[in-house]
Amino acid sequence: DIQMTQSPSSLSASVGDRVTISCRSSQNISRYLNWYQQKSGEAPKLLIYTAKTLQNGVPPRFTGSGSGTEFTLTISSLQPEDFATYYCQQSFSAPLTFGGGTKVGI
Amino acid sequence: QVQLVQSGAEVRKPGASVKVSCRASGYTFSSYYIHWVRQAPGLGLEWMGIINPSGDGSINYAQKFQGRVTMDRDTSTRTVYMELSSLKSEDTAVYYCARDPYCTDDGCSLTFDYWGQGTLVTVSS
Repeated sequence: DIQMTQSPSSLSASVGDRVTISCRSSQNISRYLNWYQQKSGEAPKLLIYTAKTLQNGVPPRFTGSGSGTEFTLTISSLQPEDFATYYCQQSFSAPLTFGGGTKVGI
Repeated sequence: QVQLVQSGAEVRKPGASVKVSCRASGYTFSSYYIHWVRQAPGLGLEWMGIINPSGDGSINYAQKFQGRVTMDRDTSTRTVYMELSSLKSEDTAVYYCARDPYCTDDGCSLTFDYWGQGTLVTVSS
């Protein structure tokens, strides 16, 4: 199975901050990497797919980058509604696997 | 609008089975595969498998759940089901169905673009 490792597991930030979350895969997954946002008590929401493509309706302050084994999610200017947990997920091969999550808090 | 509506919370004893439903609306049911993903309390996300809601209803289960999970579909009611048997306390989790946005004969995108609201399954004696 492909292991996905996120860092950090949590971070504290303020509104307006630039936030960067990293995700590493245990093998080369090309650009088959997705990012999700999950707020407490809700289902995850797709933000970015194939490493850098923004899902419809997602604000452009969210950007994804990377390929191979190293990926990054960046929030350019953190907004109050962005406080949540973020997960990466590899879509290269089954079994599909997720990172452990990064909780973005105040 | 696309909606996946799941059945309500369930409580089961260890060793029992549970069946969760996921009813789709707002899109062509037969055109999009459905995944099942679970999340134990306070923990991360775990993929369980994928089902083709049309045709032969082909299925791919995660090896971890092989032999314990069964996925099925009813095209007449646009509903997909996930049944987990031989339940253990470690199966206590929120179970989600999620749609794959793109599948062809060569495979699926293995991405989740719409999710159900989740179904809490509690396994306790």
